[in-house]
Amino acid sequence: DGGITQSPKYLFRKEGQNVTLSCEQNLNHDAMYWYRQDPGQGLRLIYYSQIVNDFQKGDIAEGYSVSREKKESFPLTVTSAQKNPTAFYLCASTTGDYGYTFGSGTRLTVV
Amino acid sequence: AQSVTQPDIHITVSEGASLELRCNYSYGATPYLFWYVQSPGQGLQLLLKYFSGDTLVQGIKGFEAEFKRSQSSFNLRKPSVHWSDAAEYFCAVGAIYGGSQGNLIFGKGTKLSVKP
Repeated sequence: DGGITQSPKYLFRKEGQNVTLSCEQNLNHDAMYWYRQDPGQGLRLIYYSQIVNDFQKGDIAEGYSVSREKKESFPLTVTSAQKNPTAFYLCASTTGDYGYTFGSGTRLTVV
Repeated sequence: AQSVTQPDIHITVSEGASLELRCNYSYGATPYLFWYVQSPGQGLQLLLKYFSGDTLVQGIKGFEAEFKRSQSSFNLRKPSVHWSDAAEYFCAVGAIYGGSQGNLIFGKGTKLSVKP
């Protein structure tokens, strides 16, 4: 079945460390998104990509980086510049008709 | 700028009671509107969407929503709530301006608790 796979489900980061969250989709969707979710804050857009080799900053891009070298993959790196990275991260994709498909998320914790 | 407001942070209803979750959006023309549901520790699942036409839309799991242009609202309803409906619900509007076209703008969510 087609869908979006996020890995790992749980991730622990030490202070000053970069970590990369994986997002893979086999839906043949053009657009992919990364959201950060904190309690009471809803979903805040980090980065999005509407086509391969192109991506745009969202509302809270500082301290994050992405790449889109393949249509299927949109990894998110949380850099040491992100001072408060503990959160639930969601990846989504769409064909462009606003019908988003979400992954099951990665919970990142700073230790 | 487009925005979505969900006035209720947390709602508790008894099992079997009716449910209405409120959503207001800010935009002038006919918006693209969505409701998603999220179980704890999971991703979001689409419940229903409105693009145009009949203002009462049916979704999965027995949910429906009504678009009211005069009130800029898109409230979600269910006639009889089941314990399995306990989750967080997000309203969203489709962005149509410039480079954001195709993106969804989410409300902050309403957490639903169900009493036995």
